[in-house]
Amino acid sequence: NAGVTQTPKFRVLKTGQSMTLLCAQDMNHEYMYWYRQDPGMGLRLIHYSVGEGTTAKGEVPDGYNVSRLKKQNFLLGLESAAPSQTSVYFCASSSDYYGYTFGSGTRLTVV
Amino acid sequence: AQSVAQPEDQVNVAEGNPLTVKCTYSVSGNPYLFWYVQYPNRGLQFLLKYITGDNLVKGSYGFEAEFNKSQTSFHLKKPSALVSDSALYFCAVRDMVRGNTPLVFGKGTRLSVIA
Repeated sequence: NAGVTQTPKFRVLKTGQSMTLLCAQDMNHEYMYWYRQDPGMGLRLIHYSVGEGTTAKGEVPDGYNVSRLKKQNFLLGLESAAPSQTSVYFCASSSDYYGYTFGSGTRLTVV
Repeated sequence: AQSVAQPEDQVNVAEGNPLTVKCTYSVSGNPYLFWYVQYPNRGLQFLLKYITGDNLVKGSYGFEAEFNKSQTSFHLKKPSALVSDSALYFCAVRDMVRGNTPLVFGKGTRLSVIA
């Protein structure tokens, strides 16, 4: 009963490097989301998907790209990492209006 | 636009005392409201939700919340706090009129229960 799995759990990047964060869910949920959590800022939506092959921008999409090629996976990409992208990233999924299941997070540091 | 406010960054309460964590919201239609809890180095866990019906909602770990439409509030409560309740609490809202749009979260309130 894995739920939502995020990989990696920790990563340190140098400015300008790229990376992809993977989110996988085994609950057959239609909707998937990427949020970032920063101190005093709460959770801010980066991108989301309402189904396989679809993506949409959230509140803070700049500097990130996403893909949802398979229903169970939602990838978040950083093409050229910046120190401002140092954060904890959470993926979540849901099947309806009634709430999310969250992953355990990825702590990313950009130096 | 939908929004959530958690007016207190930090709430301190003695163990055994009642606790309240405040949340107010703004939506154009009727709200779906949620509370989540985050323990250190963990993801968010669902506590309870209000969709429709009874204004007093009961959730996990003895928590409850009261929906007040006139005050646009959804405060989280527990009659007797435990040290293990110490965590970061998030209120979230979705506007029912707008369909299955993403949840909007508040900035969070850190609850500290002192033995």
